[in-house]
Amino acid sequence: DIVMTQSPDSLAVSLGERATINCKSSQSVLSTSNNKNFLAWYQQKPGQPPKALIYWASTRESGVPERFSGSGSGTDFTLTISSLQAEDVAVYYCQQYYTTPTFGGGTKVQI
Amino acid sequence: EVQLLESGGSLVQPGGSLRLSCAASGFAFSTYAMNWVRQAPGKGLEWVSAISDDGNSPYYIDSVRGRFIISRDNSRNTLYLQMNSLRAEDTAVYYCARRKIHFDWWGQGTLVTVSS
Repeated sequence: DIVMTQSPDSLAVSLGERATINCKSSQSVLSTSNNKNFLAWYQQKPGQPPKALIYWASTRESGVPERFSGSGSGTDFTLTISSLQAEDVAVYYCQQYYTTPTFGGGTKVQI
Repeated sequence: EVQLLESGGSLVQPGGSLRLSCAASGFAFSTYAMNWVRQAPGKGLEWVSAISDDGNSPYYIDSVRGRFIISRDNSRNTLYLQMNSLRAEDTAVYYCARRKIHFDWWGQGTLVTVSS
């Protein structure tokens, strides 16, 4: 199985500041057949199910604010929240779907 | 609007069985692969099982293979997870999630507690 490692485990960011979450996979999730990275990001607020934010490493889901962006390729990926809002307090997970799906351990974002 | 509504979670003794259901609406259920993902209390997300859109291809994480059975009824727009020989480590909120590319829609979850 592909192991997903997120860092940091938690971070505190001031309102309006940038938050950066890293995700590393134990092997490449870049497909040579379609040149896409099989990597998604999810947001989970307390007491709620996860919500998809980004897929193909950098494609935002419909309705997701532009302040959320994903980048990276191969084994190293980043989720960036460009200007943190109060409603962004949550745990964020990366996930690979290149093989049997696996998730990172999560990053808790606080203010 | 897309809706996924899980049910069937409860308190069960170790070694017991439980069947979870996930009722889908608001989309063409028979065209999506469906999944179960669980989350132990205070922990992260763990994919458990998946089934192809036609129901012919099930997949499982190693820790549940041989104990859990995933199935679906496309005529009833419902996904199931039959859970047998339950263990304490199966205690979690179980979410159903649909997948075309990634898991783009999740239900609210149902809590399974395995304890004596």
